[in-house]
Amino acid sequence: AQSVTQLDSQVPVFEEAPVELRCNYSSSVSVYLFWYVQYPNQGLQLLLKYLSGSTLVESINGFEAEFNKSQTSFHVRKPSVHISDTAEYFCAVSKNSGGSNYKLTFGKGTLLTVNP
Amino acid sequence: EPEVTQTPSHQVTQMGQEVILRCVPISNHLYFYWYRQILGQKVEFLVSFYNNEISEKSEIFDDQFSVERPDGSNFTLKIRSTKLEDSAMYFCASSEGGGGTIEQFFGPGTRLTVL
Repeated sequence: AQSVTQLDSQVPVFEEAPVELRCNYSSSVSVYLFWYVQYPNQGLQLLLKYLSGSTLVESINGFEAEFNKSQTSFHVRKPSVHISDTAEYFCAVSKNSGGSNYKLTFGKGTLLTVNP
Repeated sequence: EPEVTQTPSHQVTQMGQEVILRCVPISNHLYFYWYRQILGQKVEFLVSFYNNEISEKSEIFDDQFSVERPDGSNFTLKIRSTKLEDSAMYFCASSEGGGGTIEQFFGPGTRLTVL
């Protein structure tokens, strides 16, 4: 079984400041890692994913995350946030061992609030 | 751009009533999922569906729940006798496959309110 821990339930920052949202996972098998974002009153949108290859992955809107296998972490960072980045961010894992089920196990989420 | 759609967006029902939540996954996707999110809590896996059968279900997915893909395009979640604690946002998701196509695309959700 997999589990995900997001250490911060809320992160308030000022606009143009850097931010890091933390995610640690536990799993007995190899995993795929994801960050999903949920804007107010909307569904979940994929922000970033790590499947294989380079441990540093980037999104089109300036976020990047690094997979650290030894620390079982997948923290996401952005060097300069905008008001529009205000949202709930969920880290998630799924096993990568194949089969007919790639269910996602989510963390509790981190509410990022960007203030002017 | 293809997207997952869900209807209705909001469903209000009385305790004990049956509800059916509907989803239309992306057309070439093969894996289907239902998740739920109780207000203020994390997103929880309910069930996965592949090749016309359930591949895994969580402890939440008891005998009151069922899923169906009746016509090759819709994917439904039925709750036979709703309880107050079933009040939540229900998300449908689909993915093309495994490996590099594992990304799950989520619908906008159905907010279920049980009175």
